[in-house]
Amino acid sequence: GEQVEQRPPHLSVREGDSAVIICTYTDPNSYYFFWYKQEPGAGLQLLMKVFSSTEINEGQGFTVLLNKKDKQLSLNLTAAHPGDSAVYFCAVREDTNAYKVIFGKGTHLHVLP
Amino acid sequence: EAAVTQSPRNKVAVTGGKVTLSCNQTNNHNNMYWYRQDTGHGLRLIHYSYGAGSTEKGDIPDGYKASRPSQENFSLILELATPSQTSVYFCASGDWGNYAEQFFGPGTRLTVL
Repeated sequence: GEQVEQRPPHLSVREGDSAVIICTYTDPNSYYFFWYKQEPGAGLQLLMKVFSSTEINEGQGFTVLLNKKDKQLSLNLTAAHPGDSAVYFCAVREDTNAYKVIFGKGTHLHVLP
Repeated sequence: EAAVTQSPRNKVAVTGGKVTLSCNQTNNHNNMYWYRQDTGHGLRLIHYSYGAGSTEKGDIPDGYKASRPSQENFSLILELATPSQTSVYFCASGDWGNYAEQFFGPGTRLTVL
C-alpha cells in the first residue's frame, strides 16, 4: 500500500522567512493529496487539497507544489509569521481504497518573532 | 458551528475498565473515521464506517470496537482499556467524491492508568 514520508520532523524559522515541508509518496497511481494544519490542542484543519493535474496551488501565504515524476508534494510558506506555528501533515488518498488516507508523521513548525 | 464534535474531551480511565468515546457530525457525511495520534507515529486509522450500521477495521483495530448507530454518530469502544491505549483520539467525517477529504473533530485525550 501507499507509504508517505514527511520531512523535516521539526523546523524553526524566523518571522518573514520561508519554510518548506516535503512529503514523498510511493504509489505512482495516487491522485489526491492534502495538507492539514494542527494547532495546539486542536484537530486537523484542511489547508489545501491537490489533484494530480494541478501542479501548483496557492493559498493565503503558501504554495503547494506536486512533482509527480519524483512523487513529491511540498508545502512552502512564503513569509512565515508566528500564527503559522503548528504541526503540518501531508496526506495521500490511497488508490486501491478510495476512502483511506495515509498521513505523514507531521512537521512541527515554530516561527520565531 | 463545529461540524464534528467529540466527547469527552479528556478522559482518565483505569486499566481493565470500559471506555466509550463518542463522535457526532452535522456534515451529513456518509463516512466516518477514528484515528489515534501518538508521537512518532502520526495518525493511525483504527476503524471507519461507510454509513449507519457499518464498521470496518482500519490499520490498528486490535483492542477497539466501533459502533455507527446513525448517520451522525460514531463511537469507539475500549472494552478492556490498557495503558498502551493512552493517546489522543480523533474522529473525522468525509463523503464520497473525487477528493473524499476528511474533516476532523477536536480530539479526545485519553489516559489509562
